[in-house]
This record gives sequence, C-alpha cells and structure tokens, in this order.
Amino acid sequence: GAVVSQHPSRVICKSGTSVKIECRSLDFQATTMFWYRQFPKQSLMLMATSNEGSKATYEQGVEKDKFLINHASLTLSTLTVTSAHPEDSSFYICSAKTGLDGYTFGSGTRLTVV
Amino acid sequence: AQSVTQPDIHITVSEGASLELRCNYSYGATPYLFWYVQSPGQGLQLLLKYFSGDTLVQGIKGFEAEFKRSQSSFNLRKPSVHWSDAAEYFCAVGPAQTGANNLFFGTGTRLTVIP
Repeated sequence: GAVVSQHPSRVICKSGTSVKIECRSLDFQATTMFWYRQFPKQSLMLMATSNEGSKATYEQGVEKDKFLINHASLTLSTLTVTSAHPEDSSFYICSAKTGLDGYTFGSGTRLTVV
Repeated sequence: AQSVTQPDIHITVSEGASLELRCNYSYGATPYLFWYVQSPGQGLQLLLKYFSGDTLVQGIKGFEAEFKRSQSSFNLRKPSVHWSDAAEYFCAVGPAQTGANNLFFGTGTRLTVIP
C-alpha cells in the first residue's frame, strides 16, 4: 500500500533556529499533501495544504512566513519551521491523498524547541 | 460547517470486554467517514473507512463500524478488546467528492485496557 515516510521522527533545536521536516511518498505520486499539528492529548489541526508545483494554502491563523511549505516534486513535501520558539514545540504529521478516497499519514515528527 | 464529535475523551475497559467508541458528524453532504488509531508518538493508522454501500464496515484488528445516517453517527466497535488496543482513536470525515480536500478530525478518545 501507499507509504509516506516522514523524517526526522524527533528533533530538538535551539530557540531561533530553523528546522526542516520532510515527507516522502515512497511508492506513489502525491499531488497533494496536508500538514497537521497536534498538541498533547488533542486532535490534529490542519495547518496547510500543499500542491505540487504551486504555493501552499494555509489555514486561518497559521503564519505562512513561519511555517514554510515546499512541494517541489510529486514525492517530496517539506515543512520548515523558521525561527523556532518553545511555543512551536509540538507533534507535526503529514498526510498525502492517495487517489479519490485514501489518505496516508507519516509517522510524525516530535519537535522540541529549547 | 463540518464537524466531528467524539463525546468520550477517555474510556477504560477490561481486556476481553466489548468496546464501542462514539462518533457523530455534521456535514453538508454525504461524507466519507474514517476511523484511525494512534499509538503514543506515532502517526495514524487507518482502521476502516466508509464511502457507500453496506453501512456495516469491517476493518483491521477485528474492528467494525456502523454508519447510521439518521443519527449522523459512525460508531466503532470491537467485540473483545486486547491489551494492545490501548491507544488514541480518531474519527474523521472527508468530502465525498474528488479534489484536494483534507480530513476533519474529532478530538479523539483515549482507550485504556486493564487486565
């Protein structure tokens, strides 16, 4: 079945630095990828939708200059958290749409900003 | 507007007992419905999904769910819970149409299984 590989699984960075999270579709082409953020013991909140070759669409309240999304190829989408602060610490999950009715999720990235 | 409600934040059941996790949705059209399971620090694994047809859907790990349009519900059930079922369960709804549309998730139900 469709597999999305998300890397890294855990990252700790210093406040003020940037962190890049990658999501790769391993055996299919992902025209559309979704980026979610999950706070402890809460649900997944959609941050943005990325489409290959075009600008990402951000949800209301999500700073596009802080959370840079690039979807330059059909198999790779990246989320860069720029100038990270402790409040950006969270669990980030990507998801790719597979066909008309399928959604495959990455294994998530635990970001800790110290 | 679309929404998904999971009324139970936390459920505790004994191993071997039956389980039902509730999910109610609000959607303007006939939705696609999903149940996912998430172990701590992990991504989401699809348990089952409903698009059309038979309203009783069988999934992996012995789970099933029943779509009840009149009640706008899609409850997840398992006849006999195993200790390995302890996890967070999310109900989600998506648009029954083509296009690049995301899923909307409920707030999740945490399942604890006691010996």
